[in-house]
Amino acid sequence: EIVLTQSPATLSLSPGERATLSCRASQSVSSYLAWYQQKPGQAPRLLIYDTSNRATGIPARFSGSGSGTDFTLTISSLEPEDFALYYCQHRRNWPPTFGGGTKVEIK
Amino acid sequence: EVQLVESGGGLVQPGGSLRLSCAASGFSFTNYAMSWVRQGPGKGLEWVSGISDSGGTSYYADSVKGRFTISRDNSKNTLHLQMNSLRAEDTAVYYCAKNPYGSGSQWFDPWGQGTLVTVSS
Repeated sequence: EIVLTQSPATLSLSPGERATLSCRASQSVSSYLAWYQQKPGQAPRLLIYDTSNRATGIPARFSGSGSGTDFTLTISSLEPEDFALYYCQHRRNWPPTFGGGTKVEIK
Repeated sequence: EVQLVESGGGLVQPGGSLRLSCAASGFSFTNYAMSWVRQGPGKGLEWVSGISDSGGTSYYADSVKGRFTISRDNSKNTLHLQMNSLRAEDTAVYYCAKNPYGSGSQWFDPWGQGTLVTVSS
């Protein structure tokens, strides 16, 4: 199975700053990578699918890029509600797997 | 509005069984694949199982293969997960999630609120 490695594990930033989250795959997933946001006690929410497509209702400050094995989720200017856990997930083949997550916390 | 509501979680002894259900509404259930994803306490996300729109094709994570069975009742807009031979490591919140297509490996959107399964003596 494809292993997804997210870095850093924790990102400490202030509101208004730019957040850059990384997801690296153990083999190519083409462009088949998604990003999710999860807040404590809540279900994950889809942010980005197939590398760079924002899901319905997701603000433009969230953007995704990359291809093959290296992907990035960028939050251009952090809002208070963006401090949360973020997971990447591939759909290149079965089984779909998730990365271990990056926590974006308030500095 | 798409809604997914899970039920059936609870406390079960090791070796026991449990059946989870997910009631879907707000979309044409018969046109979409569905999945179960779980999250152990303080842990990350793990895909468990997926089923095609017709129910004719299903997939399982190696960790649950042979013990769990996914099924769907398209007449009742309901997804199920029959879990047998439960182990302590199956303890998790189990989420039901909609897939964007009828079949194939996909992303998950939206997710239900989850139901907690605890396997302990």
